[in-house]
Amino acid sequence: AQSVTQPDIHITVSEGASLELRCNYSYGATPYLFWYVQSPGQGLQLLLKYFSGDTLVQGIKGFEAEFKRSQSSFNLRKPSVHWSDAAEYFCAVGALGGAQKLVFGQGTRLTINP
Amino acid sequence: EAGVAQSPRYKIIEKRQSVAFWCNPISGHATLYWYQQILGQGPKLLIQFQNNGVVDDSQLPKDRFSAERLKGVDSTLKIQPAKLEDSAVYLCASSKGLAGGETQYFGPGTRLLVL
Repeated sequence: AQSVTQPDIHITVSEGASLELRCNYSYGATPYLFWYVQSPGQGLQLLLKYFSGDTLVQGIKGFEAEFKRSQSSFNLRKPSVHWSDAAEYFCAVGALGGAQKLVFGQGTRLTINP
Repeated sequence: EAGVAQSPRYKIIEKRQSVAFWCNPISGHATLYWYQQILGQGPKLLIQFQNNGVVDDSQLPKDRFSAERLKGVDSTLKIQPAKLEDSAVYLCASSKGLAGGETQYFGPGTRLLVL
């Protein structure tokens, strides 16, 4: 069964600083990997996803993520954060083929200092 | 294109009462999901429909939770009777199909508080 670990429950960065959110997954085959963002009182919005090809994936709002099979990681990065990036970020893994079941990590809450 | 709609947005009930949530997916999306998100945790899949058939309900507490999608469009999730530990946000999502890597689009959720 697949699982996801997001080691950082809460991260605080200054506006304009770079950001990296960590995600480690466990799955026996090539996974589908996703990053979603959730603003307070809102549903989840897809930032980006990986399922094959180039291991560096570009997403919306200036985010990118890199799939590293050897480290079972899919870390999310942004070179310069904006105050509007403050939110909860979830990494998720989906099984290759079959029913599209997503397993989510516990999330990382991002706070931006002005 | 309209997104996934859910109602109500908030609900407060006493334990042992019943409650129902409604979801209308994006038009044309065959697959519908209900997730439970407990405070401080990531969403957990409760049930997944493909059209009006159940694909996966392995994590649905069937002694108290039920869900249906009778006409393959909108869906209802019911809890009867509710317990304190059912306090959570219930998220509905939809996708075009079942293919791997399909994007799931989420609604705003229903926040349930059981007292």
